[in-house]
Amino acid sequence: GENVEQHPSTLSVQEGDSAVIKCTYSDSASNYFPWYKQELGKGPQLIIDIRSNVGEKKDQRIAVTLNKTAKHFSLHITETQPEDSAVYFCAASNPRDSNYQLIWGAGTKLIIKP
Amino acid sequence: DVKVTQSSRYLVKRTGEKVFLECVQDMDHENMFWYRQDPGLGLRLIYFSYDVKMKEKGDIPEGYSVSREKKERFSLILESASTNQTSMYLCASSLSGGKDTLGEQYFGPGTRLTVT
Repeated sequence: GENVEQHPSTLSVQEGDSAVIKCTYSDSASNYFPWYKQELGKGPQLIIDIRSNVGEKKDQRIAVTLNKTAKHFSLHITETQPEDSAVYFCAASNPRDSNYQLIWGAGTKLIIKP
Repeated sequence: DVKVTQSSRYLVKRTGEKVFLECVQDMDHENMFWYRQDPGLGLRLIYFSYDVKMKEKGDIPEGYSVSREKKERFSLILESASTNQTSMYLCASSLSGGKDTLGEQYFGPGTRLTVT
């Protein structure tokens, strides 16, 4: 079955700098890769996703890149702000295999230093 | 505004007690999920349901059961709570997509359960 590894587990960056979180997946048939952000005391919330027919997707200060050959995808946050401090989860799915399940990474705690 | 609510934010139970965690969504979603979240382990799926009265085991169903009698409500039951079930429990829901479509999951705020 699918396995998703996420690195680093903790990332500390200076406010205004960029942050990059990386994930690798094992199932080459996976074709949907969302990123969720979990703020303190809340459940995770979808912030961006990408499907395997595109290599990059941007939404303001966040972007996700996908390398299907290497089976890895990354979240990029530019011009980080204090409100970016949270735990970020990547996930992968092969909807043809299961229309319901996401396989999750272990999470990255992002700390933005003022 | 979409909403998933969980019956308790914090819960303390004794070993051996039967525990009910309730989740309600107001978005008319077909799919509902129960996860547990532990540091360094991410989100692990316990059970999910894709329709009323339907349920499927996730990755870690042992020691848990679920009930979905109404579309909007999905309950997680710990038949006999044990200390290793101390964790954060998250409920989520999503629309049922068509073929090759996976819907966004909407999460509740979580229930932090402590079993002593």
